[in-house]
Amino acid sequence: DGGITQSPKYLFRKEGQNVTLSCEQNLNHDAMYWYRQDPGQGLRLIYYSQIVNDFQKGDIAEGYSVSREKKESFPLTVTSAQKNPTAFYLCASSYRYEQYFGPGTRLTVT
Amino acid sequence: AQTVTQSQPEMSVQEAETVTLSCTYDTSENNYYLFWYKQPPSRQMILVIRQEAYKQQNATENRFSVNFQKAAKSFSLKISDSQLGDTAMYFCAFMKHRDWYVGSNYKLTFGKGTLLTVNP
Repeated sequence: DGGITQSPKYLFRKEGQNVTLSCEQNLNHDAMYWYRQDPGQGLRLIYYSQIVNDFQKGDIAEGYSVSREKKESFPLTVTSAQKNPTAFYLCASSYRYEQYFGPGTRLTVT
Repeated sequence: AQTVTQSQPEMSVQEAETVTLSCTYDTSENNYYLFWYKQPPSRQMILVIRQEAYKQQNATENRFSVNFQKAAKSFSLKISDSQLGDTAMYFCAFMKHRDWYVGSNYKLTFGKGTLLTVNP
């Protein structure tokens, strides 16, 4: 089955620790994205990547970092510099103008 | 910059009835795409329907249809014969036409969503 996987589904960390969220796709899509979702908010773009070894900041990139070493993988690191890291994180990939989403990771930082 | 507004934070409908969710957007672009995404309690984002701005005909997908009014910058979603499985958060989203080309920024702009509850 082709699709996007995100792991883990729930993640808990202590304040001050960096944490990496995994995103893998086997759809052979060039473009991948990370979104953040907060209660009562739509999705906000954190980072996106159009091709391997290239990525661009989205609207809320501060406190986050990414890498794109393989076409299939686009991990997101939430650093200790992110002031409010507790949120639901969604990864997506796209073919042309249609974006396909993973199941998401709920990150809780205490 | 584009903005997408969903003015109804919550709505409810009885099973088998019809409901319409509103969306307005602001853009200076002439060519663009509009989308409705559904996010059920599982939180999986699912594409419901897509409309290309250059097409005058409203898009339809089974029980889901849109009313696209380009001049008014309005893009409402109609759900007919509502089912319990339609209970979800619905997001309206906008993408500039050139944004999906290689080398551009692929940006989707989302509204804040409408929580739809279908009651038995």
